[in-house]
Amino acid sequence: DAGVTQSPTHLIKTRGQHVTLRCSPISGHKSVSWYQQVLGQGPQFIFQYYEKEERGRGNFPDRFSARQFPNYSSELNVNALLLGDSALYLCASSTRQGASDEQFFGPGTRLTVL
Amino acid sequence: QQQVKQSPQSLIVQKGGISIINCAYENTAFDYFPWYQQFPGKGPALLIAIRPDVSEKKEGRFTISFNKSAKQFSLHIMDSQPGDSATYFCAASNRPGSNSGYALNFGKGTSLLVTP
Repeated sequence: DAGVTQSPTHLIKTRGQHVTLRCSPISGHKSVSWYQQVLGQGPQFIFQYYEKEERGRGNFPDRFSARQFPNYSSELNVNALLLGDSALYLCASSTRQGASDEQFFGPGTRLTVL
Repeated sequence: QQQVKQSPQSLIVQKGGISIINCAYENTAFDYFPWYQQFPGKGPALLIAIRPDVSEKKEGRFTISFNKSAKQFSLHIMDSQPGDSATYFCAASNRPGSNSGYALNFGKGTSLLVTP
């Protein structure tokens, strides 16, 4: 079975631009979470979506937004990119809402902002 | 604010030795404590997890020890192998229902190197 897939693998943008990252969860998983992992740090929670509704939001500015589609795939959008947004963006899926269910992480999208 | 504090930052262990990584937390509402393993270029993968109703959980060479009163938990890797060389993250979360119940709060990670 395919695991969590994310696209693109790598992305280079310049300050002020907008970016869209995509995630496809494991088949049958209805929950998708997004995390930001800065080099040398642990992942930081951005959003969780379950059944197409936002269930949780981390401490990130409004430049970050997301949505979940009827097929449970998800997009993370970041507007007005800053240098500090350079990071590995991880998507995780699980069967149920919440973080106490095993989270299956994708390989991530490496975003570089110049 | 880092809700879960992890140490050491890096660890070198000889093959066959025991690797020990420690974590501490303050939020007494946390009720789920997983450990994740991450290899370069990959996303984190769940290794083992524990809930506060037990003090120890063992799966193969991996053991979590949990001390609720001290608000600490640790990962022990027995008979460490070169293939265990990776970054290890502890994490904690609340039950769903509160906003923080949807987030895994990760430590900063421990880079483990197991030498042959």
